[in-house]
Amino acid sequence: GENVEQHPSTLSVQEGDSAVIKCTYSDSASNYFPWYKQELGKRPQLIIDIRSNVGEKKDQRIAVTLNKTAKHFSLHITETQPEDSAVYFCAVYTGGFKTIFGAGTRLFVKA
Amino acid sequence: DTGVSQNPRHKITKRGQNVTFRCDPISEHNRLYWYRQTLGQGPEFLTYFQNEAQLEKSRLLSDRFSAERPKGSFSTLEIQRTEQGDSAMYLCASSLVQGNTEAFFGQGTRLTVV
Repeated sequence: GENVEQHPSTLSVQEGDSAVIKCTYSDSASNYFPWYKQELGKRPQLIIDIRSNVGEKKDQRIAVTLNKTAKHFSLHITETQPEDSAVYFCAVYTGGFKTIFGAGTRLFVKA
Repeated sequence: DTGVSQNPRHKITKRGQNVTFRCDPISEHNRLYWYRQTLGQGPEFLTYFQNEAQLEKSRLLSDRFSAERPKGSFSTLEIQRTEQGDSAMYLCASSLVQGNTEAFFGQGTRLTVV
């Protein structure tokens, strides 16, 4: 089945710096790659997504890049702010109609 | 509230008891998913419905777990003879069937088995 690996598991950055989280997947048929943010005690919420026919997508301070050949995709957060502190999950939509999640990255943004 | 709704939010039960959780998806969403999330981990896929049909079940879903979506709207997840290892957050999500679209999550049901 599909395997999704996410790195790093913990990331600490200074406010204003950039943060990068990377994920790799195994199923070359995967075609939709969302990123979710989960704050403590709350539900995961979509922050950005990318489809397999696109290499990069940007939404204000957040961007996602996809390399289908290498089967990896990354989340980039620029000018980080304390409110960006949360757990971030990458996910991969498989042909079996289910979304497989990475183990998560706990991001700490120090003021 | 037009989002995904889950009840109850919290459930404490004694080992060996049966529990049932309910999920009300966003009304026009055909797809409904159940996930389990333990502390420090990402959501783990349990099962998936398209309308009333249960199309996929994870190997994580033992015989003690059963899920239904009888009318293609709300869904229930039942755990029989609960074990301490069942303690987790159970998340429900829904999405549209057309294309690869965002899954919207409910707030989850936190189960504690004592």
